[in-house]
Amino acid sequence: AQRVTQPEKLLSVFKGAPVELKCNYSYSGSPELFWYVQYSRQRLQLLLRHISRESIKGFTADLNKGETSFHLKKPFAQEEDSAMYYCALTPVSGGYNKLIFGAGTRLAVHP
Amino acid sequence: EPEVTQTPSHQVTQMGQEVILRCVPISNHLYFYWYRQILGQKVEFLVSFYNNEISEKSEIFDDQFSVERPDGSNFTLKIRSTKLEDSAMYFCASLGQGGEKLFFGSGTQLSVL
Repeated sequence: AQRVTQPEKLLSVFKGAPVELKCNYSYSGSPELFWYVQYSRQRLQLLLRHISRESIKGFTADLNKGETSFHLKKPFAQEEDSAMYYCALTPVSGGYNKLIFGAGTRLAVHP
Repeated sequence: EPEVTQTPSHQVTQMGQEVILRCVPISNHLYFYWYRQILGQKVEFLVSFYNNEISEKSEIFDDQFSVERPDGSNFTLKIRSTKLEDSAMYFCASLGQGGEKLFFGSGTQLSVL
């Protein structure tokens, strides 16, 4: 079964602290993994995807196939990072045919 | 940056009524999607649409649901006879040819009373 698990509903940190938002997936093939972000009262937007291997707004995520994880990390959190973060996967063969989302983690960065 | 537009932002309807949720995808995009998010739950895939036909649909997308691209710009989701459990935020999304990024609309909050 295809599944994305984000074990934390809420992650609360202070500004400047490191952040790790956890994501584990279950999929029999080799999916493509994404992180989407939703800032308050804004639409879902792509933060990063594993195949591009880039850092966006200081965030990085490494795909660990052995642990079937795709955790999102940032060394120093900023207040403007406060948002809802969703991990998602899509089957490579289907491309973008559908995204399977995790339940999301709310990141709250306090001053 | 171009945007996917959804109307209305809020829709309230009575159980059993038909609703049509409207989306205007980005103009040169070819792949269109509907997702929904019930309050407190995860975003769920409903349907994908390409070349004027459904390419994939989920178990949620039963006979009560239909999608249409009636002209060159709109992409609609119709629910024929709404149920209480259809209350959710519905998101439209679109993707261009060889697309790198799925663009989401801001959603329509559907409330079925």
